[in-house]
Amino acid sequence: DAGITQSPRHKVTETGTPVTLRCHQTENHRYMYWYRQDPGHGLRLIHYSYGVKDTDKGEVSDGYSVSRSKTEDFLLTLESATSSQTSVYFCAISEFLAGGQYNEQFFGPGTRLTVL
Amino acid sequence: DQQVKQNSPSLSVQEGRISILNCDYTNSMFDYFLWYKKYPAEGPTFLISISSIKDKNEDGRFTVFLNKSAKHLSLHIVPSQPGDSAVYFCAASDPTGKLIFGQGTTLQVKP
Repeated sequence: DAGITQSPRHKVTETGTPVTLRCHQTENHRYMYWYRQDPGHGLRLIHYSYGVKDTDKGEVSDGYSVSRSKTEDFLLTLESATSSQTSVYFCAISEFLAGGQYNEQFFGPGTRLTVL
Repeated sequence: DQQVKQNSPSLSVQEGRISILNCDYTNSMFDYFLWYKKYPAEGPTFLISISSIKDKNEDGRFTVFLNKSAKHLSLHIVPSQPGDSAVYFCAASDPTGKLIFGQGTTLQVKP
């Protein structure tokens, strides 16, 4: 299994509070991703990173920010949590192979976030 | 606008029979396709993939078929086992490597 951990694994918070989720990898992969999983929507990309301090928006980035100051850590922040952000959040990592070949993404165990 | 669709939310099959999970996509720029399997309270795990230059890829009991003209792929599991019961997501990759996932299909394999 790829070395990916997420913390916390569960969190309950109140509307309007800031929340930070952490993803930590030991694989030294260049690419890191944050997804949310909701019923009927599958997994949707929030933000991703293609290197230290290099990040970009995904499909559902509104209300979220990210930071990556080290290769191994990718943080997802909800500046002011809303009930619509109640979801399961997954971090993933990947690395492109030599010659531009694609390599699959490996996922962490997830964080279940409830915003009351 | 869903670029990757799994139109069957659930599928139930008998142990030992074939399971066929389907996935449709709309973007012809997708060049790589993957299937992930997810158990409750765990992250998705990679199952099998196929490049757009191929029409079939096989790995043990799992085979993925790609029909580019129809923009359709399918995952065949033969024979199905109770441990295969999980949610299956298909995903398509654009040339930048970002994945677009379908909604998922819950497979139940009955003993």
